[in-house]
Amino acid sequence: QKEVEQDPGPLSVPEGAIVSLNCTYSNSAFQYFMWYRQYSRKGPELLMYTYSSGNKEDGRFTAQVDKSSKYISLFIRDSQPSDSATYLCATLNRLAFGKGNQVVVIP
Amino acid sequence: IAGITQAPTSQILAAGRRMTLRCTQDMRHNAMYWYRQDLGLGLRLIHYSNTAGTTGKGEVPDGYSVSRANTDDFPLTLASAVPSQTSVYFCASGNSGAGANVLTFGAGSRLTVL
Repeated sequence: QKEVEQDPGPLSVPEGAIVSLNCTYSNSAFQYFMWYRQYSRKGPELLMYTYSSGNKEDGRFTAQVDKSSKYISLFIRDSQPSDSATYLCATLNRLAFGKGNQVVVIP
Repeated sequence: IAGITQAPTSQILAAGRRMTLRCTQDMRHNAMYWYRQDLGLGLRLIHYSNTAGTTGKGEVPDGYSVSRANTDDFPLTLASAVPSQTSVYFCASGNSGAGANVLTFGAGSRLTVL
């Protein structure tokens, strides 16, 4: 079992919609979770990170960790065309990344 | 501008040739990493170095070697390239052992092996 699982399917949404992305992880000892954003032909850049459980908000972005189900989520409110990118979840306890979700926000 | 510099940005290489991808960081991070990114497979760790003078194997180390002679540089060498090594390679750095080891990535090196 991979340490971080992310269904790599693409996601297209209209501008202004809420984007919801999810990952699962295998080891209940993991504590540090990250979301990276990667624009086409660029390197990944850190979007948000969370420690342990709960929610963290940064503007239109919310990262959520549910340790009981080993589930991590990223929500993007009021999505914009500039949010079109690939989003990768990661646990930095093992430097393991999910496969990424390509998000396209249609104007 | 602080960050990671990778070179070359793109390269086409004949199978069997030797190739070194260069990576330099100016953030004084102690740890450095090489990942490859392939469609459908995501980012996979090739090799890492927690501090100058030490290296370790990641998930997919075969066919690759690294060295870490100093803090700033972490070259990745393909001794005899094969077509399955066609990929986009990302170098990253961070501070291991500092709690949240947030990685900073370079812009990538796109390698095609024919």
